[in-house]
Amino acid sequence: GAVVSQHPSWVICKSGTSVKIECRSLDFQATTMFWYRQFPKQSLMLMATSNEGSKATYEQGVEKDKFLINHASLTLSTLTVTSAHPEDSSFYICSARTADTQYFGPGTRLTVL
Amino acid sequence: GESVGLHLPTLSVQEGDNSIINCAYSNSASDYFIWYKQESGKGPQFIIDIRSNMDKRQGQRVTVLLNKTVKHLSLQIAATQPGDSAVYFCAENGATGNQFYFGTGTSLTVIP
Repeated sequence: GAVVSQHPSWVICKSGTSVKIECRSLDFQATTMFWYRQFPKQSLMLMATSNEGSKATYEQGVEKDKFLINHASLTLSTLTVTSAHPEDSSFYICSARTADTQYFGPGTRLTVL
Repeated sequence: GESVGLHLPTLSVQEGDNSIINCAYSNSASDYFIWYKQESGKGPQFIIDIRSNMDKRQGQRVTVLLNKTVKHLSLQIAATQPGDSAVYFCAENGATGNQFYFGTGTSLTVIP
């Protein structure tokens, strides 16, 4: 299947700092990528849909100013968690659509101290 | 979102037995469904998909059944192996067909 990568795989930061997470489609172009958040022992919750060259579409209850999404190219979307706080600690997972289905990255674990 | 994450139900099976994992999806307009496997600390891994014009689809050791009348999906794993231990999620493409929303998930534990 298609390969999606994320970087970093784990990040620890101090409260108040901003953290950028990258999502790349390695062997295909993705006009649409998705960002999910997952708490321990829970399901994935869709945060936003990232569209190449346009603004992201956020799910209800997700703060767009808190979670900045940029989809500057057909192979790269970034999620920036601004002014991170301990409650933002979570597992963030991106995915990218192909013509047939959706493939996921390995996830990024964010720990905010 | 279309579905809300809840604490995971669990299923334990003996190695070699068949496993059946169930999922109730939320949007009757969804026409594409995927089963994913997620191991601890990793992203979801595609297992099998099915479109709404089908009731059943088989893969290698896995079968997905779709009942649109009651908005229910099931994943059957034949001859379950220890490597099958993971959390399994179903996902639906929702009202617009452009996003995927995940079900609650089931934690499968295979007992050797």
